[in-house]
Amino acid sequence: GAVVSQHPSWVICKSGTSVKIECRSLDFQATTMFWYRQFPKQSLMLMATSNEGSKATYEQGVEKDKFLINHASLTLSTLTVTSAHPEDSSFYICSASRDRRETQYFGPGTRLLVL
Amino acid sequence: AQSVTQPDIHITVSEGASLELRCNYSYGATPYLFWYVQSPGQGLQLLLKYFSGDTLVQGIKGFEAEFKRSQSSFNLRKPSVHWSDAAEYFCAVGGFYGGATNKLIFGTGTLLAVQP
Repeated sequence: GAVVSQHPSWVICKSGTSVKIECRSLDFQATTMFWYRQFPKQSLMLMATSNEGSKATYEQGVEKDKFLINHASLTLSTLTVTSAHPEDSSFYICSASRDRRETQYFGPGTRLLVL
Repeated sequence: AQSVTQPDIHITVSEGASLELRCNYSYGATPYLFWYVQSPGQGLQLLLKYFSGDTLVQGIKGFEAEFKRSQSSFNLRKPSVHWSDAAEYFCAVGGFYGGATNKLIFGTGTLLAVQP
């Protein structure tokens, strides 16, 4: 149990366009989902925390208008990168937990390349 | 400030040899500690976790870790490494310091190479 999926696994887009990434908990209900960004050969940096039905909480330095997060159901959260630029190219990973106090289970990640 | 330090960026061991990956943390409350493994281009898989109780924690794939509060450490060990263990390993600390959500802080990772 505790399987998390992400779609797409990779995406290439033109500068200025928007890209949506989905994160799904397949076999459990996720009260809380997290979005991370990972640069090559670096660690994961938490971008935001989202609780189902409420607004996401963004970490310091993360632009909430650029990285739109929606957690509309207990099994789905989406991250939309708006007006993407080449510097937004990165590996985006989501995680989900049954409760805000529980272990996080990670998705396989989405590699974004902005040309 | 909350932080996790993994002193070894890169480690190479021979197949069948023992392994120890170091992790030190700084945390302002009771820490929850985790080890995750990431294969190239993949997400993170939970190896083991420590919340409370026995300080020696057993995980998947033959890994174990020991929580030592006095040393603020949570080192990962495996008695005999297999070639399939080659990956990047992340130590993370979480808890409820400053909030009610189990936010994780990750170390910079240790890349493990296994020689035949």
